[in-house]
Amino acid sequence: AQSVAQPEDQVNVAEGNPLTVKCTYSVSGNPYLFWYVQYPNRGLQFLLKYITGDNLVKGSYGFEAEFNKSQTSFHLKKPSALVSDSALYFCAVRGYGQNFVFGPGTRLSVLP
Amino acid sequence: EAQVTQNPRYLITVTGKKLTVTCSQNMNHEYMSWYRQDPGLGLRQIYYSMNVEVTDKGDVPEGYKVSRKEKRNFPLILESPSPNQTSLYFCASSFSGMNTEAFFGQGTRLTVV
Repeated sequence: AQSVAQPEDQVNVAEGNPLTVKCTYSVSGNPYLFWYVQYPNRGLQFLLKYITGDNLVKGSYGFEAEFNKSQTSFHLKKPSALVSDSALYFCAVRGYGQNFVFGPGTRLSVLP
Repeated sequence: EAQVTQNPRYLITVTGKKLTVTCSQNMNHEYMSWYRQDPGLGLRQIYYSMNVEVTDKGDVPEGYKVSRKEKRNFPLILESPSPNQTSLYFCASSFSGMNTEAFFGQGTRLTVV
């Protein structure tokens, strides 16, 4: 069975500093990995995905993610955080039966 | 505009009174799914559907029903709501390919008193 872990409930970073939100996964077969962001009182918005190929994936709003097969990780990164990046971030894997499995979420706070 | 539409956005109801939350998508997606979001518990899947007339239980199906009679609609039915079903509910849809992302509705905040 597939699973996703986000080891940090909360990440705090100062504005202008780089940010990383961690994600590890477990899936049989090739991993199809996704990151979503949820702003208050809104639905989840798609940020980026890893399907195959280059291990560094670029997405919306300046976010990127690094896929590491040996560490089964898919960490979300941004070189310079903005206060407006403060939100809840979810990592997801699409696996058995083409179903999506989401991690528990990580709350990112960017401090001015 | 491509979207997933949920209705209602907010609902307060009483214990035991049957209700339906509708979900509709206009992208011709095969896959649709319902999730509930509770503080500290992340997103938990209730039911999902790979196509018309094909539905499967997720992690927390108890107390819920779904149907998929048409490709675009995937209603969530609570036949006898209880207070522990107070939650934020999300519908999502996607194409069936493994490399396609899901699109989410805006959410339905349900309160059962």
